[in-house]
Amino acid sequence: QKEVEQDPGPLSVPEGAIVSLNCTYSNSAFQYFMWYRQYSRKGPELLMYTYSSGNKEDGRFTAQVDKSSKYISLFIRDSQPSDSATYLCAITLGGATNKLIFGTGTLLAVQP
Amino acid sequence: DGGITQSPKYLFRKEGQNVTLSCEQNLNHDAMYWYRQDPGQGLRLIYYSQIVNDFQKGDIAEGYSVSREKKESFPLTVTSAQKNPTAFYLCASSIRGTGGYTGELFFGEGSRLTVL
Repeated sequence: QKEVEQDPGPLSVPEGAIVSLNCTYSNSAFQYFMWYRQYSRKGPELLMYTYSSGNKEDGRFTAQVDKSSKYISLFIRDSQPSDSATYLCAITLGGATNKLIFGTGTLLAVQP
Repeated sequence: DGGITQSPKYLFRKEGQNVTLSCEQNLNHDAMYWYRQDPGQGLRLIYYSQIVNDFQKGDIAEGYSVSREKKESFPLTVTSAQKNPTAFYLCASSIRGTGGYTGELFFGEGSRLTVL
């Protein structure tokens, strides 16, 4: 079993739709949960970061972590064509090292 | 502007040749990383370094080598021993807070290596 599983998509939605991206993980010891956004032929950039369980909101983006079910989600409200990118979930223990384990990424296309 | 610079962006090499990818950062970050990205496989860690003159193998270090002689620089050499070197290579850096690392990485724009 992979440590992080992510639906690869691709996912195509109309502009204005609510998008839900999800990952599951296997090791309950992980404490930090991230979503990175990667535009085509570019490096990833950190979009959202959550420590432990709970929700975090930033504008149109909401990250949700449910440690009891080992499930992490990213919701995008009022999606825009500029949101078209690959979204990578990532997890890490944190602390002494910063070794992240990445999901395979979900390719999202928002159609105008 | 602070950031991470990778060069070259695109590189073509013949099979059997060693190749060195450059990574420079001016963020004053202690830790630097090299990842490899292949379609459908996400990012896989090759090597990382948390301080100058020290580095550790990641999950797929075979066929690669690195050095960390300066805080700002972390070059990656793809050797002829790497069986399948064609990939997108990403360099990243991070800063350690008072409570340790928290998962935030700053990435460069990547280097795409194609071996013919």
